[in-house]
Amino acid sequence: GAVVSQHPSWVICKSGTSVKIECRSLDFQATTMFWYRQFPKQSLMLMATSNEGSKATYEQGVEKDKFLINHASLTLSTLTVTSAHPEDSSFYICSAGPIAGGLLQGETQYFGPGTRLLVL
Amino acid sequence: EDQVTQSPEALRLQEGESSSLNCSYTVSGLRGLFWYRQDPGKGPEFLFTLYSAGEEKEKERLKATLTKKESFLHITAPKPEDSATYLCAVQVTSGGSNYKLTFGKGTLLTVNP
Repeated sequence: GAVVSQHPSWVICKSGTSVKIECRSLDFQATTMFWYRQFPKQSLMLMATSNEGSKATYEQGVEKDKFLINHASLTLSTLTVTSAHPEDSSFYICSAGPIAGGLLQGETQYFGPGTRLLVL
Repeated sequence: EDQVTQSPEALRLQEGESSSLNCSYTVSGLRGLFWYRQDPGKGPEFLFTLYSAGEEKEKERLKATLTKKESFLHITAPKPEDSATYLCAVQVTSGGSNYKLTFGKGTLLTVNP
C-alpha cells in the first residue's frame, strides 16, 4: 500500500519550453501533496505544498510563476516548469500524505520515484 | 529555525559489522520524526515514524530510537543490500495543518561484502 507514481521518469527539453510532471497516489487519497527538488549529493529541498482545490504554498525563494502547481484531486497533483532553463535541471520528487481516511494512519509522507529533468 | 543534523556524512561497514546513524534535531515542537532510505536515482522509501521520546521501532535489521534531542538508526549485521543514503526528517507542531518535512543531509551507508 501507499504507492505514489510520477510521470515521466525522465525528460529532456530545450531551453524555453515548458514541462509538466504528474504525481499520483495510486492506492490512497492524500490531503496534501508536496514537491521537492534534489541536486546531486544534496538532500531534498521543499519547493511547495499543495492541497486539493487550493492554491499551493511556495517556500521562500521558489518562483510561483515559474513552477506552477495544480492539485486537481486527492490523488493527482501536477508541477509545470515554465520556460525551463538549464539551471532548472534537477531531480524533482513529489510526496503525498497524510492519508485521508483508510486503514493507513499517521502523518507519513510517501514519495514518488522522482523525475529527472535535463534542460539543454 | 528548525534544524536537523545527521552524522556521519558517510559510513563504510563490512558485512555483519553493526553500527548506528545519528540524527540530532532542534525544533520548536516535534510532531514526528521520520526515517527514509534513498537509493541512487530513486525517491525516498519510508522506514519509520517516531512520535515521542523513548519510542522504538524495528524492521528487519533496522531499529530506530528517539530521545528529546536525537534519534538513532541502529543497523544490526548489515548486508550489502542495505547500502543506501538514510535520510532523517522532522515534522513540527507549529506547522498547524501544514505537514511539511525538514530533512537532514543524509548519511551515505556503504556495506562491503
